[in-house]
Amino acid sequence: EPEVTQTPSHQVTQMGQEVILRCVPISNHLYFYWYRQILGQKVEFLVSFYNNEISEKSEIFDDQFSVERPDGSNFTLKIRSTKLEDSAMYFCASSVDSYQPQHFGDGTRLSIL
Amino acid sequence: AQSVTQLGSHVSVSEGALVLLRCNYSSSVPPYLFWYVQYPNQGLQLLLKYTSAATLVKGINGFEAEFKKSETSFHLTKPSAHMSDAAEYFCAVSENRDDKIIFGKGTRLHILP
Repeated sequence: EPEVTQTPSHQVTQMGQEVILRCVPISNHLYFYWYRQILGQKVEFLVSFYNNEISEKSEIFDDQFSVERPDGSNFTLKIRSTKLEDSAMYFCASSVDSYQPQHFGDGTRLSIL
Repeated sequence: AQSVTQLGSHVSVSEGALVLLRCNYSSSVPPYLFWYVQYPNQGLQLLLKYTSAATLVKGINGFEAEFKKSETSFHLTKPSAHMSDAAEYFCAVSENRDDKIIFGKGTRLHILP
């Protein structure tokens, strides 16, 4: 069964550095999402992306965050200047259309030192 | 605004016993409801979804959930627990099929031998 794949599985970065989290959604999917889960807390929505633009973003998704679909397969989340509180598990999700549920990747654990 | 409340951050049941994980939702429009499962060090896997068809929804691994509008509930059940069911379970709500998903805080299910 096709899967959403995320790389790397674990990223360690110094505070203030830029980080890019990568996702390869399922190939025929059109809707893309990023969520994050701070340790011990619930999964929180960050941003949704459709037709090469952001559809919706949460309060968490401030100017330090950006998303991009640089080619036909990758969907990236960039954090420009990381903070300690950005440490979390970041999940990418995709869905084929608005009638199908979102499929999640295994996540990237981001640790900010 | 949408929200989800999961009663009990930890639930323990004996192997072979009934599993009941409680979820109550709040939504201003007829909701789409989901249960996701997260096994250790893995991503979120969809167990089942409610999208205004049958109120009793059957999912994978023998789980099912019943949508009760009068109680604003969507509790997850399984008649007989198996050791492999040990995981974290998230109830979630969405107002539109392609909208962001709002997750509950999760319930960690422990299976006792």
